[in-house]
Amino acid sequence: QKEVEQDPGPLSVPEGAIVSLNCTYSNSAFQYFMWYRQYSRKGPELLMYTYSSGNKEDGRFTAQVDKSSKYISLFIRDSQPSDSATYLCAMRDTGGGADGLTFGKGTHLIIQP
Amino acid sequence: SQTIHQWPATLVQPVGSPLSLECTVEGTSNPNLYWYRQAAGRGLQLLFYSVGIGQISSEVPQNLSASRPQDRQFILSSKKLLLSDSGFYLCAWKHRWQGGEKLFFGSGTQLSVL
Repeated sequence: QKEVEQDPGPLSVPEGAIVSLNCTYSNSAFQYFMWYRQYSRKGPELLMYTYSSGNKEDGRFTAQVDKSSKYISLFIRDSQPSDSATYLCAMRDTGGGADGLTFGKGTHLIIQP
Repeated sequence: SQTIHQWPATLVQPVGSPLSLECTVEGTSNPNLYWYRQAAGRGLQLLFYSVGIGQISSEVPQNLSASRPQDRQFILSSKKLLLSDSGFYLCAWKHRWQGGEKLFFGSGTQLSVL
């Protein structure tokens, strides 16, 4: 079983819809959870950062972590064509090591005007 | 504020040719630096990371090497490229504080080996 699972999509929704993006993971030691947005041929951009369980809201974006289910979500309200991108979830434990994050493969999101 | 520069943006190289990709970070000192590769359908793969000058850790055995000649400079190299080295290469630096850490990426280099 892979450490982080993420549906690659593409996920196509009409403009204005609520989008739900999800990742599941197997390592119960993960404590920090992130969502990155990546436009085509660009570097990933950090969107949301959460620690442990709970919700975090930033504008139209809400990140949700359910550690008991090992499941994280990113919700996008009032979706816009400019939200069309690949969304990567990422996570790490509290080991404090210098190594990087564990990433999902990304979900390709298309917002139809 | 901190910025990360990566170049070139695109590169087309023949099989067997050498490679040198450079990454520099501004506005921070002694950062942890990373090289990732992103291949279609395979997600982000950590290749190398460095915690300081001359200190390189390799995550995956491969045809590539990395060097850190200066505090804010990280270089990815190959002596002879293979077709399988094609991909999107990303440099990143880690911002750490008492409450956690975040990874920030450069703009990437699209490498095509033909």
